[in-house]
Amino acid sequence: GAVVSQHPSRVICKSGTSVKIECRSLDFQATTMFWYRQFPKQSLMLMATSNEGSKATYEQGVEKDKFLINHASLTLSTLTVTSAHPEDSSFYICSAPHKGLAPNEQFFGPGTRLTVL
Amino acid sequence: AQSVTQPDIHITVSEGASLELRCNYSYGATPYLFWYVQSPGQGLQLLLKYFSGDTLVQGIKGFEAEFKRSQSSFNLRKPSVHWSDAAEYFCAVGGGGNKLTFGTGTQLKVEL
Repeated sequence: GAVVSQHPSRVICKSGTSVKIECRSLDFQATTMFWYRQFPKQSLMLMATSNEGSKATYEQGVEKDKFLINHASLTLSTLTVTSAHPEDSSFYICSAPHKGLAPNEQFFGPGTRLTVL
Repeated sequence: AQSVTQPDIHITVSEGASLELRCNYSYGATPYLFWYVQSPGQGLQLLLKYFSGDTLVQGIKGFEAEFKRSQSSFNLRKPSVHWSDAAEYFCAVGGGGNKLTFGTGTQLKVEL
């Protein structure tokens, strides 16, 4: 069946560096992907909607210059956390809707655990 | 804007006992409702969904949920809980633009 993958699954970086997280749709094309952030023991908060071939749409309060999103192809969206700081440490999850799914239904990736030292 | 409330942060049940996880939503139109389960450090797995038709929906792993429009609720139930059901459960409502809004989650602990 359709699957969404993320890479890396886990990353540790130093404060001030940038980290790129990839989200891929396997076996299907996704013109839209979503990026969520989940702090420990909290819910998923939508950060942005990634749109293939156009700019991402960010949710209120999310810094677009800090969280760069690129949706360069129909199967790949990337989230780059620029100048990462310890408060950016979180679990980042992407998702993608599929035309065979119900409205609003999405396939979720396994998540990427980011730790900023 | 839509919102979801899961009143119970933690629930502990004995293995074999029945389970009900509460979910209340706020949405102006007919909602699309989902229950997801998340094991530690993992992504989300869809348990079941409602978007039209029969208000009692069956999902995977023996779970079911009932949509009650009058109560704006979509509670998740399971007749007999297994130890492997211990996880975090999220209720979500779908809105415009294919977006999902999640509740704060309920952590389920199963006592053997």
